[in-house]
Amino acid sequence: AQSVSQHNHHVILSEAASLELGCNYSYGGTVNLFWYVQYPGQHLQLLLKYFSGDPLVKGIKGFEAEFIKSKFSFNLRKPSVQWSDTAEYFCAVRRGSQGNLIFGKGTKLSVKP
Amino acid sequence: KAGVTQTPRYLIKTRGQQVTLSCSPISGHRSVSWYQQTPGQGLQFLFEYFSETQRNKGNFPGRFSGRQFSNSRSEMNVSTLELGDSALYLCASSLEGRGTEAFFGQGTRLTVV
Repeated sequence: AQSVSQHNHHVILSEAASLELGCNYSYGGTVNLFWYVQYPGQHLQLLLKYFSGDPLVKGIKGFEAEFIKSKFSFNLRKPSVQWSDTAEYFCAVRRGSQGNLIFGKGTKLSVKP
Repeated sequence: KAGVTQTPRYLIKTRGQQVTLSCSPISGHRSVSWYQQTPGQGLQFLFEYFSETQRNKGNFPGRFSGRQFSNSRSEMNVSTLELGDSALYLCASSLEGRGTEAFFGQGTRLTVV
């Protein structure tokens, strides 16, 4: 069965530290890849997505992610985190161009001021 | 443009009862998906509807059902509630086509006592 793995359950960083959250998926065909963020008390919002083209995608709020097909990975990065980045981050995969998303279990990010 | 609207926001039900949750997608979106979010299991896919037809179904018991109306609004129903059904139920809508993302509602927090 297709699965999505997020390696870190909880990450704690100080402001201005760099962030990298890992995401690996198991499906071998064409995929659409997403990172969503859930701020406390808010709904899931899209950070960025990849479906084709340049494997380095830029999203909102200074986030970027790199799709490495050979490693089945789509890691999320940010060079310098802020306290306001405290949230839960979810990686998601969709097979092909339509259908449901399969989510990783999420990574809670806590940024200390 | 109005976002995805879910009602009610909070529900408390007793074991054995049934419950119906509602979702109004973004105007023009014909695909609606439902997810269950719990601390232990993360986000798990329930089902997806497109043009009033269930297109995809997750691995949940038959007590969980849904439907979609001609205006794309969707409902999900859970019968014979169990304590383990306590969760945040999220609805997402999307357009069809490559690279489209899902837009999520705020969710309905269901507590079964």
